[in-house]
Amino acid sequence: EAQVTQNPRYLITVTGKKLTVTCSQNMNHEYMSWYRQDPGLGLRQIYYSMNVEVTDKGDVPEGYKVSRKEKRNFPLILESPSPNQTSLYFCASGGRDARYTEAFFGQGTRLTVV
Amino acid sequence: RKEVEQDPGPFNVPEGATVAFNCTYSNSASQSFFWYRQDCRKEPKLLMSVYSSGNEDGRFTAQLNRASQYISLLIRDSKLSDSATYLCVVNRRNSGGYQKVTFGTGTKLQVIP
Repeated sequence: EAQVTQNPRYLITVTGKKLTVTCSQNMNHEYMSWYRQDPGLGLRQIYYSMNVEVTDKGDVPEGYKVSRKEKRNFPLILESPSPNQTSLYFCASGGRDARYTEAFFGQGTRLTVV
Repeated sequence: RKEVEQDPGPFNVPEGATVAFNCTYSNSASQSFFWYRQDCRKEPKLLMSVYSSGNEDGRFTAQLNRASQYISLLIRDSKLSDSATYLCVVNRRNSGGYQKVTFGTGTKLQVIP
């Protein structure tokens, strides 16, 4: 089954404690990205990756890091989480051509930073 | 001005009604357009692509107007199960040649029995 898998689904952590949210897709997609979704602000892109070792900043990259060492995985790293990073996070993947966009989203990770 | 703008709603419509949403985009270099559906606290799911010639999928019709830079989604014979937030998505190539994806903030639809 074609899917994007995120882990964990729910996470409560404390300010400053490094964490990683994993994302894996099984469709051999080149394009992957991370979004955060906040009430009234919609989905905002954090980082995206066009292929292995190719990443770039989205609209709200501050406080986040990513890596793309393998095609299937695109982890999101919060080196020193802060309460303003409390949000619902989605990983997405899709075909390389702009026409095909990100057809597949993970189920989301609800992060709370206290 | 936001790159993609949608009326947040909510649109409250009775079952069986026809409802239409619009979405405007500001960048004329935008290349491809999509509608997504998102249920509460769930992941967005691709509903349909939007083509210049218009396209239809059952009760759903999507249209693109490049001259006025907007896309629309029409839902006929609304069902209770259509209640969701509908997200407009616009893609374009950025200066690096990579696709730049922008989501609208969504329009909430509530279909009432």
